[in-house]
Amino acid sequence: TAGITQAPTSQILAAGRSMTLRCTQDMRHNAMYWYRQDLGLGLRLIHYSNTAGTTGKGEVPDGYSVSRANTDDFPLTLASAVPSQTSVYFCASSDSVESSYNEQFFGPGTRLTVL
Amino acid sequence: AQSVTQLDSHVSVSEGTPVLLRCNYSSSYSPSLFWYVQHPNKGLQLLLKYTSAATLVKGINGFEAEFKKSETSFHLTKPSAHMSDAAEYFCVVSENDYKLSFGAGTTVTVRA
Repeated sequence: TAGITQAPTSQILAAGRSMTLRCTQDMRHNAMYWYRQDLGLGLRLIHYSNTAGTTGKGEVPDGYSVSRANTDDFPLTLASAVPSQTSVYFCASSDSVESSYNEQFFGPGTRLTVL
Repeated sequence: AQSVTQLDSHVSVSEGTPVLLRCNYSSSYSPSLFWYVQHPNKGLQLLLKYTSAATLVKGINGFEAEFKKSETSFHLTKPSAHMSDAAEYFCVVSENDYKLSFGAGTTVTVRA
C-alpha cells in the first residue's frame, strides 16, 4: 500500500507562475489536508477537505486553492506564486472528521522554491 | 483555542542516554495529544497518541509520553537513545475536531 503520494518531489518556480501540487491517497480516507512547513513554525494548515466535494480554509489559506473532485485526490494550486510561498508542503489524510482521536497520515512532501 | 509549546528547539544526547522532549499545551477542551517524528527529507510519522485513556502512553521505537493535566504537559521520553533517533519531533494537540495544532518542533541530535 502506497499510502499518500505527492508530486513533484521538488520544484523551482518563477514568481508569478502558477503551479499545482498533486496529492493522492489510497486508504479511502474521508478527510484530507494541506500543510506548509517553515523553520521554527512547525506545520500550518492551508486547506482541508471533510469529504469529496467539500473544502475549507485552514490557518494560512491566502494565495492557495484546492479542489476535491473525488476521495483519492486533493490538489493544491498556487495561482500566482510569490517568494513567501517557498516552503515544504505536506499532504495528509485521516479516516474520519468526527473525532480528534484519528491519526493523520502524511505524504513525503514537496519542496517548493519560488524565485 | 488550542496551542502547543515545545520548550526546547534542540536537544543533544549521547547514544545510550535518556531523551526528554518537553511539551506544554493549551486547550479549552479535553484534548487529544500526539507526538510525530520527522526524519530528514521524510514525511511525518506518528510516534504515539493520547486520547483520554491511560495517561502513560507507549509508542513505537521505545518512546513513551505521560499526560499530566494539572501541568498541561505531554513530555516525550526514551530510556536509551539510538543513533536512528536523530530527527525532528513535533508535539501536536487536537481539540474537538480533526484540526491539528503543531508545536515548532525539537531537533534531536545523538552523539556517538
